[in-house]
Formats: sequence, structure tokens, C-alpha cells
Amino acid sequence: GQSLEQPSEVTAVEGAIVQINCTYQTSGFYGLSWYQQHDGGAPTFLSYNALDGLEETGRFSSFLSRSDSYGYLLLQELQMKDSASYFCASDAGNMLTFGGGTRLMVKP
Amino acid sequence: DAGITQSPRYKITETGRQVTLMCHQTWSHSYMFWYRQDLGHGLRLIYYSAAADITDKGEVPDGYVVSRSKTENFPLTLESATRSQTSVYFCASSESGTSGFMGTQYFGPGTRLLVL
Repeated sequence: GQSLEQPSEVTAVEGAIVQINCTYQTSGFYGLSWYQQHDGGAPTFLSYNALDGLEETGRFSSFLSRSDSYGYLLLQELQMKDSASYFCASDAGNMLTFGGGTRLMVKP
Repeated sequence: DAGITQSPRYKITETGRQVTLMCHQTWSHSYMFWYRQDLGHGLRLIYYSAAADITDKGEVPDGYVVSRSKTENFPLTLESATRSQTSVYFCASSESGTSGFMGTQYFGPGTRLLVL
């Protein structure tokens, strides 16, 4: 089976940096994905890590440590529009298992 | 109209009725997926399909049936709806599996289903 743990809620100030952690337990692991979902909207892809290390995409970065079964999403220069839910998802080959999501609230 | 669409967007039905949710994508993606998302929770995979006429169970398949006779369509049927199936249903597609950027999943807008 697969299970992923992430904090339920994080609050940060506009312009700050925030890190959303994700720990996973999986049988068969190919990589870790991150998705963003605004209230009432559909999830949208942010990043994917197959190898250990940091992947940077603009203001967003994602990190993976396979040995620790751990990853995180780093959001820099927070903007109000970043207020959303963020989901990590483990890739077991043909199937993604999603964590429960972290609701990020960005305050002015 | 390009992309991935779902219909209906909202549906109210009664316990015991059969309901079919439609999903259509115009990218010719090989893989298609059905998820349910319950209030305040993550997405759970119901069924997925790697190609036309190939489907497989996900995490929570009980009470659901899928088919994929054409690459672009992936309908989901609730054979006899129950209140526990009240949820938001998302369809998604990907070019190739779930790995790497070829496995990026593109989600439809969702169908909000209420079973009374």
C-alpha cells in the first residue's frame, strides 16, 4: 500500500518563503509529484522528482530524499495567489497516490 | 474546444439510481484516470486506463464501472448510487503513465455529485 503524510495547514506572509513537507510509505516508488489546487478548481501539476535533490521551477522548488522517504515543496516570494491546497503524490508506476493536502494561507 | 472536459458539472441523484459521468479529452493521451475527492481530503484513484479497451482498478473501485471504447472518452458509471458516493469526481489524462513529465496529469473541471 501507499500512504503520504503532509501538514493539514500552513500560514505565511506575502513575500515570505514556505516549505511544505511530505513523508511517504510506498511499496514501489518511482517519484514524487506536487499539485496545486485552488478552492473550487482542478488540481494542476507543479513538479516531479524522480531522483534525490532539488528541482527548481521559477518561484517553486521541490526536493526529494529517497533514503528518508521524504520530500518538500518550497515556495519563495509568496504571493496572495499562492493561497491554495498543495498535494504531494507518490508515483508507483501507472498510479498516483495523493496525500491529504496542505492548505496554504498567504496573508498580506 | 481543446483539453479535457467533464459532464455534467453538477448532478443530484437519489440512492439506488444509476449515474454516468462523462470525460472527454482532445489530446489523444494514452492514459486516463478517475478520482474522487471528498471535502477537505486528497484525491483517491477509482479506475484508470492505459489505452482503449484497457482498464484497471485503483484504490477505491467498489460500486463503480468504467469503459474505454475510444481513446478520447472514459465514462464512469455508478451502478447503484449510495450516499457515500457523494463527492467531487475528477477525470484526468496523461500522455504516458504517471512518471516524469510525460506522466503529468491534466485534470478536468470536476463533477460535483450529490446522492440523496
